[in-house]
Amino acid sequence: AQKVTQAQTEISVVEKEDVTLDCVYETRDTTYYLFWYKQPPSGELVFLIRRNSFDEQNEISGRYSWNFQKSTSSFNFTITASQVVDSAVYFCALSEAGGSNYKLTFGKGTLLTVNP
Amino acid sequence: DAEITQSPRHKITETGRQVTLACHQTWNHNNMFWYRQDLGHGLRLIHYSYGVQDTNKGEVSDGYSVSRSNTEDLPLTLESAASSQTSVYFCASSARTSGRGDTQYFGPGTRLTVL
Repeated sequence: AQKVTQAQTEISVVEKEDVTLDCVYETRDTTYYLFWYKQPPSGELVFLIRRNSFDEQNEISGRYSWNFQKSTSSFNFTITASQVVDSAVYFCALSEAGGSNYKLTFGKGTLLTVNP
Repeated sequence: DAEITQSPRHKITETGRQVTLACHQTWNHNNMFWYRQDLGHGLRLIHYSYGVQDTNKGEVSDGYSVSRSNTEDLPLTLESAASSQTSVYFCASSARTSGRGDTQYFGPGTRLTVL
């Protein structure tokens, strides 16, 4: 069975600090997909990134970067020079490619608070 | 622009009443999902559908039902609302193009309170 663990329940930083959100996953499949979503205080769920298991290149998008390491089953998310607007709950999720399963399994989320 | 909407956005009901939450998407996506979000539990899958007339149970389906009569809509019904069903409910949809890894896009959520 697939599982996603976000061990950090809450993180608090001061603006301009770098912060890394950890995500560790478990799956038996060799083909799978990983996602990050952001949930700001307004409540909506915003898609950030999708990565498949064959692509281990790190991704950078502005102040956001993602480090995918199959050897440690981790897909960590780093925010550089954090801003107050980054305050949100961040969810990591996993989708396996086997069978007829299109479902996502979510971690329990990490609440990030960026203080001015 | 294509979108996914939910209604109502807020609902207060009484124990034992039947409640239906609406979800409508204009992405023309085959896959639709219902989740509930509770503190300490993250998002948990209630029901999902991979196409018209197809419905499947998720991990927390007891007390809920769905039906899919067209591509655009997947209403979620609480047969007899219970206080334990007080939660925030999210609908999501995804295409079925690149296999199992299609991104799910979420509606704005419905906050349901059962008194």
